[in-house]
Amino acid sequence: GDSVTQMEGPVTLSEEAFLTINCTYTATGYPSLFWYVQYPGEGLQLLLKATKADDKGSNKGFEATYRKETTSFHLEKGSVQVSDSAVYFCARRNKLVFGAGTILRVKS
Amino acid sequence: GAGVSQTPSNKVTEKGKYVELRCDPISGHTALYWYRQSLGQGPEFLIYFQGTGAADDSGLPNDRFFAVRPEGSVSTLKIQRTERGDSAVYLCASSLVGGSTEAFFGQGTRLTVV
Repeated sequence: GDSVTQMEGPVTLSEEAFLTINCTYTATGYPSLFWYVQYPGEGLQLLLKATKADDKGSNKGFEATYRKETTSFHLEKGSVQVSDSAVYFCARRNKLVFGAGTILRVKS
Repeated sequence: GAGVSQTPSNKVTEKGKYVELRCDPISGHTALYWYRQSLGQGPEFLIYFQGTGAADDSGLPNDRFFAVRPEGSVSTLKIQRTERGDSAVYLCASSLVGGSTEAFFGQGTRLTVV
């Protein structure tokens, strides 16, 4: 069935470090792919999305590229900030299936 | 309303009781989703409505769980004979249609079964 697998956390980085959070999905057709973020005490919100192969989604300095060859949608950011500390969820359509989430902690 | 609204925000109930959780989606959104999130886990899909009908209810864990959306707007998730294992945050989301459109989430209802 539809599934999403993302790297386990927590991921702890120093401010301005490079971030990668891996995400792979099962491929039934070419589903739209999403990254959602959950900041402490807040609800889930969309961070970025990609709707077809080779699309790159980007927002707030985060990027992810839809790779159909490797069925991956890894999240990257060149320089993290303390305010990026949150839980990040990878998800795929059509019924919007989520990964288990990766906690990111950024230290100043 | 401006966003997805879920009520109540917190619900404590005794084992064996019946509970109803309500979701008010964003006006005009035809797709509505229910999820369950346990501590340290990702949202677990329960059911997806397109309009009034359940397009996919494959995530409902058993027949104690049921959801309705009679007029294609507000939805109610109903849990009968609650068990302690049902304790979780229940999330609702809505989107304009399915597919690639963004889903907007409510703040969730924290259900505690004691």
